[in-house]
Amino acid sequence: DADVTQTPRNRITKTGKRIMLECSQTKGHDRMYWYRQDPGLGLRLIYYSFDVKDINKGEISDGYSVSRQAQAKFSLSLESAIPNQTALYFCATSDFQGAREQFFGPGTRLTVL
Amino acid sequence: QKEVEQNSGPLSVPEGAIASLNCTYSDRVSQSFFWYRQYSGKSPELIMSIYSNGDKEDGRFTAQLNKASQYVSLLIRDSQPSDSATYLCAVNPGGSYIPTFGRGTSLIVHP
Repeated sequence: DADVTQTPRNRITKTGKRIMLECSQTKGHDRMYWYRQDPGLGLRLIYYSFDVKDINKGEISDGYSVSRQAQAKFSLSLESAIPNQTALYFCATSDFQGAREQFFGPGTRLTVL
Repeated sequence: QKEVEQNSGPLSVPEGAIASLNCTYSDRVSQSFFWYRQYSGKSPELIMSIYSNGDKEDGRFTAQLNKASQYVSLLIRDSQPSDSATYLCAVNPGGSYIPTFGRGTSLIVHP
């Protein structure tokens, strides 16, 4: 079984709709992250959380919100989706201890029409 | 602003050759350095990590770190077509431990 899972894997929605992307992990890591990836722009950090009570904005948080429901769950919401939020979204985790390398989920491909 | 720079490529090498991928970073206090491989449409996968100056070898992969010159490189020996992917360099600065990613280098290994 995958250590970091994301649902849905693909989603097509319309402008103005609210959408939630979910991430779950079984690695027991404290830290979780949401990234978006666009062609040619690399990975950009949206939000990150170091524990259940800690939520921090990344470099491109406008138009997004998050919820850390438990150590293992971190959800990303688009309150009112717009076409330029069309992208590949990744959830990642890392351990508080150790090298802090990140482990990525399989990604969600989101298309906003 | 902390920056991580990579040549976007594509870097094209013949099968069996050595592929050399480079990454420079701006934050002098960076402590941890990672290379991820990403196939098209898939998620990044960690392939190497390095923390101290010098070389670190793992199979066909060698990571090289030079903190004085602020660069980290990845060598892939005996390149295979299955190595064709985008390689992302990530640097963890001191303090916040939020990694900064480069935009990646596309590698094409042709038969």
